[in-house]
Amino acid sequence: GAGVSQSPRYKVTKRGQDVALRCDPISGHVSLYWYRQALGQGPEFLTYFNYEAQQDKSGLPNDRFSAERPEGSISTLTIQRTEQRDSAMYRCASSSGTGHPSSSGNTIYFGEGSWLTVV
Amino acid sequence: AQSVAQPEDQVNVAEGNPLTVKCTYSVSGNPYLFWYVQYPNRGLQFLLKYITGDNLVKGSYGFEAEFNKSQTSFHLKKPSALVSDSALYFCAVRDIAGTASKLTFGTGTRLQVTL
Repeated sequence: GAGVSQSPRYKVTKRGQDVALRCDPISGHVSLYWYRQALGQGPEFLTYFNYEAQQDKSGLPNDRFSAERPEGSISTLTIQRTEQRDSAMYRCASSSGTGHPSSSGNTIYFGEGSWLTVV
Repeated sequence: AQSVAQPEDQVNVAEGNPLTVKCTYSVSGNPYLFWYVQYPNRGLQFLLKYITGDNLVKGSYGFEAEFNKSQTSFHLKKPSALVSDSALYFCAVRDIAGTASKLTFGTGTRLQVTL
């Protein structure tokens, strides 16, 4: 597509429920990123994929958070047993670089994000 | 570890005046630096980046930024502000010697341009 597409845009869920957030990156982009942004804060890195391989998941806060990108295109971020502290904007991004240092100058393009509210 | 500091939570400017949004960074090696803008209910939009070369980088919507290695700064500037420039601005850094995947953001600066 023309840009990074995320769904749902808004999600309200009850504490303890599982949620899945979807990201469709820019066509042809091999790198895909998930970030989380709390109110009043900058985006914080969660995880990164190069094609279908999850290269870095150091930013995932705990084992309730997981992500996959099985065919190297669309990605899903899943939060199990949601808690109120999980409420935030979840942003997906993509770039044409491979994540190798030689690609570090490549621009990362962000989607409009998914607002998650856990009540 | 890499980090970014945006010392001002908010910058207020009158339309037509020049604006500066400050950013300083810390990386172990050489940095790649980026500015993004967030309009209300919109995604993060890329404005400009410094990779190498000329220290003055020009970007979208008339914005520019100056890379200063000795001061580890990458301030965002515009010669003449517009009301429509009012938004939240984020500076971000990547360490080219480190984990290439991570883009680290500052906490953001809200720019308010008034008539």
